[in-house]
Amino acid sequence: DAGITQSPRHKVTETGTPVTLRCHQTENHRYMYWYRQDPGHGLRLIHYSYGVKDTDKGEVSDGYSVSRSKTEDFLLTLESATSSQTSVYFCAISRSYEQYFGPGTRLTVT
Amino acid sequence: DQQVKQNSPSLSVQEGRISILNCDYTNSMFDYFLWYKKYPAEGPTFLISISSIKDKNEDGRFTVFLNKSAKHLSLHIVPSQPGDSAVYFCAASPSSEGTYKYIFGTGTRLKVLA
Repeated sequence: DAGITQSPRHKVTETGTPVTLRCHQTENHRYMYWYRQDPGHGLRLIHYSYGVKDTDKGEVSDGYSVSRSKTEDFLLTLESATSSQTSVYFCAISRSYEQYFGPGTRLTVT
Repeated sequence: DQQVKQNSPSLSVQEGRISILNCDYTNSMFDYFLWYKKYPAEGPTFLISISSIKDKNEDGRFTVFLNKSAKHLSLHIVPSQPGDSAVYFCAASPSSEGTYKYIFGTGTRLKVLA
């Protein structure tokens, strides 16, 4: 157990609305990551953070932004949700080169 | 183009026998490899890792083998148990100074038959 929680766990929203997903960790890890999981694609990296206020893009970052104002919280924002962003979103932390995941947020954009 | 491939979408194995899950990669810069197990509606659970300085790593019933020249890794589960039925993902990352940007395969669904 890596002490990672995600909120909300489920969300349904309408196209064009902003959405923020939260990842919270209790172990003070420096590196945090957001992934999305879709059928046929495995998990794909959206954004990652290497410290407070230090973030960078991953493989599928278009349409997403992130913020990290405290070590324990990493927020993922969809500024204007689209149906293609319907997915399951996972947050992860690194311990050395191993990554540990949170329980996920299932987001449906209608 | 898929840099990490799990070419078998599914695998069925009898309880007590060995399960072998395979993963191929194309990027010779990948130095770190992870395996995860995933149940429906849960996050991926870390199983075992290996870095490129090793060719084998063991943890209980799980062993990962790495063949760098073939760009191939495999996960062996011995003996297989019904609770091992899940989707298994492999992931690979190049070396970095702390930030590991893993590329995941598409997963193999393992069914262990009682």
